[in-house]
Amino acid sequence: SAVISQKPSRDICQRGTSLTIQCQVDSQVTMMFWYRQQPGQSLTLIATANQGSEATYESGFVIDKFPISRPNLTFSTLTVSNMSPEDSSIYLCSAVRNSNEQFFGPGTRLTVL
Amino acid sequence: GENVEQHPSTLSVQEGDSAVIKCTYSDSASNYFPWYKQELGKGPQLIIDIRSNVGEKKDQRIAVTVNKTAKHFSLHITETQPEDSAVYFCAASSSGNEKLTFGTGTRLTIIP
Repeated sequence: SAVISQKPSRDICQRGTSLTIQCQVDSQVTMMFWYRQQPGQSLTLIATANQGSEATYESGFVIDKFPISRPNLTFSTLTVSNMSPEDSSIYLCSAVRNSNEQFFGPGTRLTVL
Repeated sequence: GENVEQHPSTLSVQEGDSAVIKCTYSDSASNYFPWYKQELGKGPQLIIDIRSNVGEKKDQRIAVTVNKTAKHFSLHITETQPEDSAVYFCAASSSGNEKLTFGTGTRLTIIP
């Protein structure tokens, strides 16, 4: 399995501000993803973080709101821009090394006031 | 796109008894079905997975089955223990497309 860390683990932010979440994997992986998990809900895929190119976003998510970077094979960032209380959620990154096995980070718990 | 349904949403089981969680999927191209356990305040943990060309897979007290024709797959936990209490998610994806579609989750409570 891959060991995935995220920073920060939690944050409380004011509306209108932006937060960048970092995801670091302990070894090279083929794919990285970002998910959102609203309180008591399931996981929803935000986008695929592509190494060296623009992320691929799922329906309902746009680059202006959730810009993503992946400068190398082990690191990615997700920015939540111009936050509102509706953005309060857990943000999770995941990585795939071989075949389909996908491993998740511990999550970043975001509260927007 | 893929749609995954999961039942039940909550499940309470006496310690030592078995628990079964069932999922159905809609996309016939899906062929990889992982199961995740999520404890409070943590990220989902992959506990077992199965591909549709394998009917059943076991790992100690956990077993998964898949019926490709009926498009459903199940998680079986035997001899349940208090530490099995968590939220369990099923998911589906297809070869060459690692994007996972998750079920809605089952909150499993083991009663001591």
